[in-house]
Amino acid sequence: GQQLNQSPQSMFIQEGEDVSMNCTSSSIFNTWLWYKQDPGEGPVLLIALYKAGELTSNGRLTAQFGITRKDSFLNISASIPSDVGIYFCAGSNNDMRFGAGTRLTVKP
Amino acid sequence: NAGVTQTPKFQVLKTGQSMTLQCAQDMNHEYMSWYRQDPGMGLRLIHYSVGAGITDQGEVPNGYNVSRSTTEDFPLRLLSAAPSQTSVYFCASRLWGYSPLHFGNGTRLTVT
Repeated sequence: GQQLNQSPQSMFIQEGEDVSMNCTSSSIFNTWLWYKQDPGEGPVLLIALYKAGELTSNGRLTAQFGITRKDSFLNISASIPSDVGIYFCAGSNNDMRFGAGTRLTVKP
Repeated sequence: NAGVTQTPKFQVLKTGQSMTLQCAQDMNHEYMSWYRQDPGMGLRLIHYSVGAGITDQGEVPNGYNVSRSTTEDFPLRLLSAAPSQTSVYFCASRLWGYSPLHFGNGTRLTVT
């Protein structure tokens, strides 16, 4: 099936540090997306990538769509306490599949 | 716009009971889907629909039924609940093929 391997599973960082997480798959996807989930809520879109090789930024967030269409990464620069949450990668063709998530903890 | 609305927010069932999780969207999205979220497993696709009258299975469809009689509504039915179906269920919709999904706030289901 279209499984996505997301790493790391969890991260504990100090406020101000940079964060990097990635997602790989054995399948090709036409779109890669990154979502963030806060407790008790549904995931919210952070960045969507539509073209292989595309590098996109949204404030302190930067994500890239891998050239092979089988991977993507998300970087967060200068982390702040409100960055705490679970980050999911997703790959989309006819439907959308998700990675298992990266749980981010930021210590002030 | 309310976006994607899920009801109920919480539900407790006994094994063997049936129930329907409701999902409605007011964004005129053609595509709707149901996911379940379990600790350490991310979101797994149960069923999806690309338009009224059309549904298809996702990764984990067993034990669940869906129908899509209108563009706005996409209910998820559990015919005979099992403890393995204890989970948080999310409904999501999107406008077109590769556009991002918009999620509801989830239904937390416990089956005892």
